[in-house]
Amino acid sequence: NAGVTQTPKFRVLKTGQSMTLLCAQDMNHEYMYWYRQDPGMGLRLIHYSVGEGTTAKGEVPDGYNVSRLKKQNFLLGLESAAPSQTSVYFCASSPSPYRAPNQPQHFGDGTRLSIL
Amino acid sequence: GQNIDQPTEMTATEGAIVQINCTYQTSGFNGLFWYQQHAGEAPTFLSYNVLDGLEEKGRFSSFLSRSKGYSYLLLKELQMKDSASYLCAVNRITGGGNKLTFGTGTQLKVEL
Repeated sequence: NAGVTQTPKFRVLKTGQSMTLLCAQDMNHEYMYWYRQDPGMGLRLIHYSVGEGTTAKGEVPDGYNVSRLKKQNFLLGLESAAPSQTSVYFCASSPSPYRAPNQPQHFGDGTRLSIL
Repeated sequence: GQNIDQPTEMTATEGAIVQINCTYQTSGFNGLFWYQQHAGEAPTFLSYNVLDGLEEKGRFSSFLSRSKGYSYLLLKELQMKDSASYLCAVNRITGGGNKLTFGTGTQLKVEL
């Protein structure tokens, strides 16, 4: 029972490099989310998706792009990495909050990303 | 906008009871979640409140007062493994759909 799986778990990038973080869920959830977590800032929503083929901006979307080509996968891209994007990135999924508002978001184990 | 406040740190003794408070100001309120997060790990779900009152789940209970914009998480019979960060998260309905906004978390340290 995998739940939410994120790859990679760790990555070090140089400023200006690009990369894609992968998230996969096997719970048939409609909604998927990408957060970043920084010390003293809590979890902040970057982008989210309410279903296959849809994406929407969250609280801190600048510098990131996302795609949801398949229901089970949600990709987060950094086109030109900056030191300010050094963070721990969490992916989460949930049933539709409209259909099941009491169902929590399920989180992956996180990706620790350092930009030098 | 919205604002979620919870204490940054708390310390308690093994076997004791601790209450972690969370206050919020928001529109479109649609429930409040508590999550536990151990260092270096993912947040895990603890409780959900949408109506006023107390929800009890074993050693953990959570309370909500919507009129006061206030919730607390009560941990009884503290164990060393309860040392973790506790995140309060408010679910709200917006023009863009349901969104969850997290507080910065309360780091709980359980001592002998």
